Amino acid sequence: DAGVIQSPRHEVTEMGQEVTLRCKPISGHNSLFWYRQTMMRGLELLIYFNNNVPIDDSGMPEDRFSAKMPNASFSTLKIQPSEPRDSAVYFCASSPTSYEQYFGPGTRLTVT
Amino acid sequence: GQQLNQSPQSMFIQEGEDVSMNCTSSSIFNTWLWYKQDPGEGPVLLIALYKAGELTSNGRLTAQFGITRKDSFLNISASIPSDVGIYFCAGQSYGGSQGNLIFGKGTKLSVKP
Repeated sequence: DAGVIQSPRHEVTEMGQEVTLRCKPISGHNSLFWYRQTMMRGLELLIYFNNNVPIDDSGMPEDRFSAKMPNASFSTLKIQPSEPRDSAVYFCASSPTSYEQYFGPGTRLTVT
Repeated sequence: GQQLNQSPQSMFIQEGEDVSMNCTSSSIFNTWLWYKQDPGEGPVLLIALYKAGELTSNGRLTAQFGITRKDSFLNISASIPSDVGIYFCAGQSYGGSQGNLIFGKGTKLSVKP
């Protein structure tokens, strides 16, 4: 069975550019989560969706970040404009229950 | 915000030794999860615990949900080189937003052959 799929795996962009990260959750999972991982702060929940509806976006850093889930099999996390401090690994996870979360391989974002 | 205290931060052990790590919280948790992360990969779920006192095994791994609901431990028996990685505890606090897992900072395990 395919796990959570994320693209791209690596993204290098210049400050000010728009970045879009993509996620395909595991089929049948009704919850989807976006996390950011850095050495300093560890794993932080940014936002999560249940049945395609955003439930908790309190972890989204600021208005430059936005996330959408137009259907049960696709979600995007957009950063516009990007800044060097946004450099991190971004993970998408999905869950059938909200408790047992299954992570994708991550997107390593570097903003120069 | 809430934090989980995970210890130790790192461990260097000899192949074949047993390993123990734990996680504590100042508040009650409903759920404890243990993950392992290899370099360049996402965390992989190892064990999920849902009841105070619950003891669950997955191969050489054993985890327990503390009776007080404020702690959990993970044991690895007879370690092997492929056990190398970072182990994270995660939990959902009682009364917290469903789905909002709090993660520990991780325990980095190194195994000497």
